[in-house]
Amino acid sequence: DVKVTQSSRYLVKRTGEKVFLECVQDMDHENMFWYRQDPGLGLRLIYFSYDVKMKEKGDIPEGYSVSREKKERFSLILESASTNQTSMYLCASWRRENTEAFFGQGTRLTVV
Amino acid sequence: GENVEQHPSTLSVQEGDSAVIKCTYSDSASNYFPWYKQELGKGPQLIIDIRSNVGEKKDQRIAVTLNKTAKHFSLHITETQPEDSAVYFCAANAGGTSYGKLTFGQGTILTVHP
Repeated sequence: DVKVTQSSRYLVKRTGEKVFLECVQDMDHENMFWYRQDPGLGLRLIYFSYDVKMKEKGDIPEGYSVSREKKERFSLILESASTNQTSMYLCASWRRENTEAFFGQGTRLTVV
Repeated sequence: GENVEQHPSTLSVQEGDSAVIKCTYSDSASNYFPWYKQELGKGPQLIIDIRSNVGEKKDQRIAVTLNKTAKHFSLHITETQPEDSAVYFCAANAGGTSYGKLTFGQGTILTVHP
């Protein structure tokens, strides 16, 4: 069974902290993505990567960075967490364009 | 870039009724249109998709239609059941240099009442 695993289901962090969200996939997919999900706004793309060490900005990259040192792992970094980054974060991977995307279970981050 | 609008934001139906969710997209280069279902506490999961060279696709109780000229596509669920209750997202992808970048709609909360 294919798997995308996010390291935490729930996180509570303080304003100004550096936060790492980890995502691992076991399907040898080239493409990995980080989305943010907010009610009424759907899923908005933060960053994506189509190869190791490659990254591209999505639609809302401000305040975030990413790292992809290995093919199976894609990390989202909040350099200095702020309360407006309280949200559900979803990681996804897929083999190539226009094929099924597989999502992790999500990380609900609360910044206080 | 691509913009996807989804309606309605909430939909409530009785068990056995049909449900229809509609999406419009802006980029005429988009050629792949998947629909995802998200159950409580889970990540979205693909339920059906359609490519731009096809007008309609069916899979048991669900179907998707695509009108490329009007740039809209719809999800149809017939004979709804309580387990169909979830959040549904449409998405569009232009392919090519976008590396499979999916743009999602705002989501529809479907509630099926027994």
